[in-house]
Amino acid sequence: GAVVSQHPSRVICKSGTSVKIECRSLDFQATTMFWYRQFPKKSLMLMATSNEGSKATYEQGVEKDKFLINHASLTLSTLTVTSAHPEDSSFYICSARTSWGDTDTQYFGPGTRLTVL
Amino acid sequence: QQQVKQSPQSLIVQKGGISIINCAYENTAFDYFPWYQQFPGKGPALLIAIRPDVSEKKEGRFTISFNKSAKQFSLHIMDSQPGDSATYFCAGVRGSTLGRLYFGRGTQLTVWP
Repeated sequence: GAVVSQHPSRVICKSGTSVKIECRSLDFQATTMFWYRQFPKKSLMLMATSNEGSKATYEQGVEKDKFLINHASLTLSTLTVTSAHPEDSSFYICSARTSWGDTDTQYFGPGTRLTVL
Repeated sequence: QQQVKQSPQSLIVQKGGISIINCAYENTAFDYFPWYQQFPGKGPALLIAIRPDVSEKKEGRFTISFNKSAKQFSLHIMDSQPGDSATYFCAGVRGSTLGRLYFGRGTQLTVWP
């Protein structure tokens, strides 16, 4: 159980275009999903917290107009990188929060490698 | 401010040896401490987790030791194998923050055959 998928796994786009990344919880409902960005050999940097049916909460320094997050259902959240530039190239990872028994933790997707040319 | 400090940054262990990764936290509101394992190009996977009312938790070759008074916890990997070579992240969670993870910086473990 507790499987989270991401699509696409990797994407290459031209500078100025927009890219949408999907995050799905496959076998559970997630009221909260998180979006992270990870640079090579670095820890995960939280970008935003997404709650189903409400606006995402962005971390300080993350441009909400550039990184659009939509959490339309209990199993799907999307991250859209608008007008992407080479500095947006990174590994983007989502996670979904679940509570089973005394466990309240996050399960991560496999990540999406974004390369902006 | 790094709420969870992790060491060492990198660790090299011989096959069959014990790998030990240490973490320390400041925020006493943390009530859940998971460890994640990440392979290159993949998302982190939950490895093992502990709550502060327990001093030790063991799952197979993986053991978490927790010292609440010292605000420290550690991951021990017994009989380390080359397949354990990965980056390990410790984290702290406050239930009141909707499960937000506060990660350590990570430890890159290499197990030599």
